[in-house]
Amino acid sequence: EAGVVQSPRYKIIEKKQPVAFWCNPISGHNTLYWYLQNLGQGPELLIRYENEEAVDDSQLPKDRFSAERLKGVDSTLKIQPAELGDSAVYLCASSFTLGSSNTGELFFGEGSRLTVL
Amino acid sequence: GNSVTQMEGPVTLSEEAFLTINCTYTATGYPSLFWYVQYPGEGLQLLLKATKADDKGSNKGFEATYRKETTSFHLEKGSVQVSDSAVYFCALSDYSGYSTLTFGKGTMLLVSP
Repeated sequence: EAGVVQSPRYKIIEKKQPVAFWCNPISGHNTLYWYLQNLGQGPELLIRYENEEAVDDSQLPKDRFSAERLKGVDSTLKIQPAELGDSAVYLCASSFTLGSSNTGELFFGEGSRLTVL
Repeated sequence: GNSVTQMEGPVTLSEEAFLTINCTYTATGYPSLFWYVQYPGEGLQLLLKATKADDKGSNKGFEATYRKETTSFHLEKGSVQVSDSAVYFCALSDYSGYSTLTFGKGTMLLVSP
């Protein structure tokens, strides 16, 4: 079974440029997460989707970050324009939620490492 | 709000040594607790979990017991191997059942032969 797939693995851009990250979750997983991981820190939630609906985006900086999950499968996270402080690893994860119940096990991709110069 | 505090690393051990990585948490209600591991060049993966007080999670020789009275979930292994070298993250999920995990900062473990 394929795991969570993210691309690109690495991206280097200059500040003020746009960047986009793509995530394909595990087949059948209805919940998708984007986490931000700064160097030496634990992952921090940016946004959580239940199918197509963003049910928790309270930590997403909406002035420059946007995300979408069309058709409730793949998701894209965009930053426009990027700033130096956005250099980090962007993690995608998925899980299966039934009603209000979830096992708590998230399956993570390998992450997309962004460097903003 | 919810928070997780882990001991700072790196933790450096010789092979076959005993491992403890401390983790304490602050949460409302009754969270579930997790240890995730990140091997070099790989994504985070679940190592073990416990969903209620006094539960013990175990996997691959690692164990952790959910201690509500001390709000702790310390990770232990009796004899570490070089292949255990990784970054270990303690995490909790809120009681609502939706798994928005709150992670600690991670503890790097380095095991030498």
